Amino acid sequence: GAVVSQHPSWVICKSGTSVKIECRSLDFQATTMFWYRQFPKQSLMLMATSNEGSKATYEQGVEKDKFLINHASLTLSTLTVTSAHPEDSSFYICSARDSMGSDTQYFGPGTRLTVL
Amino acid sequence: QKEVEQDPGPLSVPEGAIVSLNCTYSNSAFQYFMWYRQYSRKGPELLMYTYSSGNKEDGRFTAQVDKSSKYISLFIRDSQPSDSATYLCAMSTNTGFQKLVFGTGTRLLVSP
Repeated sequence: GAVVSQHPSWVICKSGTSVKIECRSLDFQATTMFWYRQFPKQSLMLMATSNEGSKATYEQGVEKDKFLINHASLTLSTLTVTSAHPEDSSFYICSARDSMGSDTQYFGPGTRLTVL
Repeated sequence: QKEVEQDPGPLSVPEGAIVSLNCTYSNSAFQYFMWYRQYSRKGPELLMYTYSSGNKEDGRFTAQVDKSSKYISLFIRDSQPSDSATYLCAMSTNTGFQKLVFGTGTRLLVSP
C-alpha cells in the first residue's frame, strides 16, 4: 500500500530556532501534499496545500513566512517552522495525494515538535 | 458552530459489541465522506470513504451517509481490543480528497 514517511518523528528545539520537517511518499508520486497541525484532543487543521513545483497555498490564519513549505519533487515536501516559539509546539502531520492511483490522501506518522 | 461536529468520547464497549460512531455537519456542499482511524501519536489511516448518500461495507466496517440529515455514521461489528483508537470523520466538497475538514475524533476503547 501507499506509504508516507515523516522525519523526524519528534524534535525538541529552543525558542527562536528553526526546524525542518520532511514528508516523503515512498512508493507513489504525489503532485499534491498537505500539511496539518493537531493540538491535543483537537482535530487536524489544514495549514497549507503544497503543489510540486509551485508555491504552497496557505489556509487563512497561517503565516506563510513562519511556516515555509517547499515541494521540490514528486516525492518530497518540507515544512520549516522558522523562529519557533512554545506556542508552535504541536503534532505536525503531512499527507500525500496519490494522483495517479486511487486519488486518496495518505497520511504520514506525524512529527511531534516541542519548543522550549 | 464548527463545520463538522463529532463527540470526542471516550466510548467504552466490551469486546464483540457493535460500535456506532457519528458525525454531523453543516455544509451541504460536502460530497465526499471519509473515516480515518488514528492510534496514539500516529498519523490517520483511511478506513472508508463514500461519495454522496448511501451505505458502504468493508469487512466489519459499514459507513452510512444521510445527506438530507447531514449525518454520517461508521459501524464496527464484532469489535476487538485492537479497534481501540480515535476515529476521525472527514469531509470534502470536491474530488481528489482535497481540503479535508475533520471532526475532532471519537476515542473508542474496546475492553477484552
